[in-house]
Amino acid sequence: AQKVTQAQTEISVVEKEDVTLDCVYETRDTTYYLFWYKQPPSGELVFLIRRNSFDEQNEISGRYSWNFQKSTSSFNFTITASQVVDSAVYFCALYLSGYSTLTFGKGTMLLVSP
Amino acid sequence: DAGVTQSPTHLIKTRGQQVTLRCSPKSGHDTVSWYQQALGQGPQFIFQYYEEEERQRGNFPDRFSGHQFPNYSSELNVNALLLGDSALYLCASSSGAVFYEQYFGPGTRLTVT
Repeated sequence: AQKVTQAQTEISVVEKEDVTLDCVYETRDTTYYLFWYKQPPSGELVFLIRRNSFDEQNEISGRYSWNFQKSTSSFNFTITASQVVDSAVYFCALYLSGYSTLTFGKGTMLLVSP
Repeated sequence: DAGVTQSPTHLIKTRGQQVTLRCSPKSGHDTVSWYQQALGQGPQFIFQYYEEEERQRGNFPDRFSGHQFPNYSSELNVNALLLGDSALYLCASSSGAVFYEQYFGPGTRLTVT
């Protein structure tokens, strides 16, 4: 069975600080996708990034960066120079090709204060 | 290009009643998945419809049923509502060719009293 764990329930930072959100996943499949979604108070899930299990290359996109390590089954997400607008709940999710569904973690609430 | 739309936005029902939630997928998408998100939790998969058939189902009782129409829109029906059914119900659409690219709607917040 697949599982996604986000150990951090809530993180509070001051604007311009860097923050890393942790995600650990469990699966026996060798082909899978990992995602990060952002959920602002409005409720809609906003897609941020997708990585497949064969692509461990880490990436930086503006203020966002991702660290995917298969050896530790981790897919961490970093926001550099956080802003108040980054305040939201962030979800890590796992997709297995054989199931065609997303398995989500419980989410990490990020609060960025001015 | 319209994204995923859901109706209604909010709904209040009484225990034992039945409810129907609606979802229109993003243009060009033919697959609809439904998720339930309880307060403080991550979304949980309910079921997925593709080609008007239930393709996958999560661990939800038979009180939860659905339907997909020829235009790919979908309904989620919940019978005999329980207080525990109070949640945000999210619809996600995708293309049958690329199931993992799921686009989410704004959700319907259901409150059962």
